[in-house]
Formats: sequence, structure tokens, C-alpha cells
Amino acid sequence: AQTVTQSQPEMSVQEAETVTLSCTYDTSESNYYLFWYKQPPSRQMILVIRQEAYKQQNATENRFSVNFQKAAKSFSLKISDSQLGDTAMYFCAASSGGSNYKLTFGKGTLLTVNP
Amino acid sequence: SQTIHQWPATLVQPVGSPLSLECTVEGTSNPNLYWYRQAAGRGLQLLFYSVGIGQISSEVPQNLSASRPQDRQFILSSKKLLLSDSGFYLCAWSPDPRENEQFFGPGTRLTVL
Repeated sequence: AQTVTQSQPEMSVQEAETVTLSCTYDTSESNYYLFWYKQPPSRQMILVIRQEAYKQQNATENRFSVNFQKAAKSFSLKISDSQLGDTAMYFCAASSGGSNYKLTFGKGTLLTVNP
Repeated sequence: SQTIHQWPATLVQPVGSPLSLECTVEGTSNPNLYWYRQAAGRGLQLLFYSVGIGQISSEVPQNLSASRPQDRQFILSSKKLLLSDSGFYLCAWSPDPRENEQFFGPGTRLTVL
């Protein structure tokens, strides 16, 4: 069974600064996918970024990037030039692919961006 | 492009009343569909998922049931609501079971009084 752990329940950052959210996971699968989702106060879940485990290159989407350390089973999210609109709950998730149709979510990190 | 709809957006129901939440996906065919529940300030709990019409897998035995009468329609139901059924219900779809990248609807906030 997969597990996803987010060890930081809450974090805060000043506007325009950089913040890194931590995520570790455990899986016995060789082929899997990792995701970060954002849930703002509206509670709409939004896919932020995805990483395919067999790709060594870290994924990047505008101000969002990941640090994927496969051997350490670590998948952290870096947000650069933080904006007030980045205030949200962030969930890390893992999928083992294949016939397992489920995502395993972490418990989330509440990020507050302060002006 | 694909879109996912949920309704109603909010619902207040008395204990013991029935429930029907609907989710529909547009712009795709044969998606995997999912129902999640999220308690306030908590993570997501997978309730049901479906890989095809009439095919429902239950993750948590409880007071709820799900049905998929059409390819792009997923319904969450209850015959008698409990106080503990209150929460935020999210529907999601996935185009590719290999990757299982999921896209979520806007959610339904259910309050059982």
C-alpha cells in the first residue's frame, strides 16, 4: 500500500518570497506518478504540478517547481515569488498507475501568504 | 475541453432524509469517476470509484451508495442521512487510469442537522 506524508500542517511566507512544502511517500511500485494539488478557500481542488517517477528531470509550471528525490522518496514543492492568491491548502498525492485506480493523498499543508 | 459539474453546490438536510448528489463530466468518454468526502480542515477520504457504467467500487462501508447510470454521470446517494454525513463532497474524473491524474469538480457542501 502507498503512503503519503506531509509533515508540515501549516506554513507561512511573505509575499514575493520563496517557500518549500515537504512531502515524502512510500511505494513498492516501480512506475508511479506524483502530484501536488492546491485547494484555495473556495475549496476547488486544482492540479498544480505532476511528476512521472521514471523521469529524472524535475517538473516545473511557471512559479511552481518540484524537487523529486527518488531514492529518498521525497517530492517537495517550491513556490517562487509567492503571491497572495497562493494562500491555500496544498495536498501531495501519489498514484501507482496500472490497474490501481486510486490516488493516495497526504493530509495537507495550509500555506498562508502574508502581505 | 473537458469540464466537470456538481450540484447542488450547497445542501442542508435533516437527519433521516434522503440524499442525491450528482456529478457529470463533459468533453470526454469512459472516464474513471470518483467520490471523495472532506471534513472541515481535513484530508480527502475516497468513498467510491467507477471504471465504467454500472461498475462501482466502495472504499468505506457506510451510509452512502453510488451509481453510474450513464458513462459521464456519477450519483452519490443515501436513504437516511446521519449527522456524521456532513462534509464537503468532491467528484473527480481521470482520463487515464495508467497515470490516474484526477480533475475535481467544484464540490457540494452538505450540512445535516
